[in-house]
Amino acid sequence: GQNIDQPTEMTATEGAIVQINCTYQTSGFNGLFWYQQHAGEAPTFLSYNVLDGLEEKGRFSSFLSRSKGYSYLLLKELQMKDSASYLCAVFMNTGFQKLVFGTGTRLLVSP
Amino acid sequence: DVKVTQSSRYLVKRTGEKVFLECVQDMDHENMFWYRQDPGLGLRLIYFSYDVKMKEKGDIPEGYSVSREKKERFSLILESASTNQTSMYLCASSSSGGARSNEQFFGPGTRLTVL
Repeated sequence: GQNIDQPTEMTATEGAIVQINCTYQTSGFNGLFWYQQHAGEAPTFLSYNVLDGLEEKGRFSSFLSRSKGYSYLLLKELQMKDSASYLCAVFMNTGFQKLVFGTGTRLLVSP
Repeated sequence: DVKVTQSSRYLVKRTGEKVFLECVQDMDHENMFWYRQDPGLGLRLIYFSYDVKMKEKGDIPEGYSVSREKKERFSLILESASTNQTSMYLCASSSSGGARSNEQFFGPGTRLTVL
């Protein structure tokens, strides 16, 4: 089976740092994606991790631990425009390659 | 600039109608996907395709079918729409290169309401 868990909702203040966690139990793991989705819009790519460790890209960083089935997305210097849903997705290769998504974390950034 | 387009942003249909949702990508991607997105359930895969005329069931294929006659176009068909198919439908595409290239690019979505 496959199971991907992330918190439903988080709140933070402008300028702060927030960490969104994602835990997974899947077979055929071949990497983990984070997507951002503003209300009413399409998901857009943020990061991809296939090896353990931290990937940094500007204000956003993503971490992966394959042995623990754990990832997090770190957002620094939060801005109001960061209010969105953040989707964790595991890339599986079980004969066919596909993404399996968590339910998403809705982040609300307040002034 | 990569682009995935969907035929409608909003659609209202009646129970029992046959519904076609169209998706076109201009990136020459081999892979195309149809998801539905519902509050609290996230994105769930309905069908996907790895080549022209090829299709595979996703996690929730019941009540849906698909067609891929051309590489750039992937259609989702609701043979007889029902109220529980009211949802946001998202199309995506990806290439078949290395793992990072399996990033999926999403269309803007079609919000379907079945009355």
